[in-house]
Amino acid sequence: EPEVTQTPSHQVTQMGQEVILRCVPISNHLYFYWYRQILGQKVEFLVSFYNNEISEKSEIFDDQFSVERPDGSNFTLKIRSTKLEDSAMYFCASSPGLAPYEQYFGPGTRLTVT
Amino acid sequence: AQSVTQLGSHVSVSEGALVLLRCNYSSSVPPYLFWYVQYPNQGLQLLLKYTTGATLVKGINGFEAEFKKSETSFHLTKPSAHMSDAAEYFCAVEGSSGSARQLTFGSGTQLTVLP
Repeated sequence: EPEVTQTPSHQVTQMGQEVILRCVPISNHLYFYWYRQILGQKVEFLVSFYNNEISEKSEIFDDQFSVERPDGSNFTLKIRSTKLEDSAMYFCASSPGLAPYEQYFGPGTRLTVT
Repeated sequence: AQSVTQLGSHVSVSEGALVLLRCNYSSSVPPYLFWYVQYPNQGLQLLLKYTTGATLVKGINGFEAEFKKSETSFHLTKPSAHMSDAAEYFCAVEGSSGSARQLTFGSGTQLTVLP
């Protein structure tokens, strides 16, 4: 069964450094998403991406964040200058269309900012 | 705007007992409702979803949920718990308006199954 994959599974970085989290969505899906979960808190929506542009973003997704689909298979989330509060589990998801299609989630990347 | 409230951050049941995980939602448009499960060190896996039609929906692993509009609820049940059901469960809502593409999650309920 096709699945969403994410790399790395765990990333440790120093405050102020740039990080890129990578995702490979399911191949025939059209919509892509990033969510994050700070330890002990809710899963929160960051951004959705369709047709090579951002379709929605939350207040969390400020100028420090960017997304890209560089080559038709990968979907990346970049954090330009990481802060301690960016430490979280980041989930990528993809879906073949809008609701009622479900979103398929990857296993997540745990980002630790020190 | 949408929100989800899951009552009980931790629920413990004995193996073979009924599982009931509570979810209430708030949505300004007719909602689409989802239950996801997260096993340790894994991603979120869809258990079941309600979009339109029958209000009692059946999912994987023997779980089901009933959409009750009057109570704004979407509680998850399973008649007989199994040890393998121990995991964290998330209720989520998505608005059915055309531009809605984000899931709003509840805080999650950690289910423990006792032998």
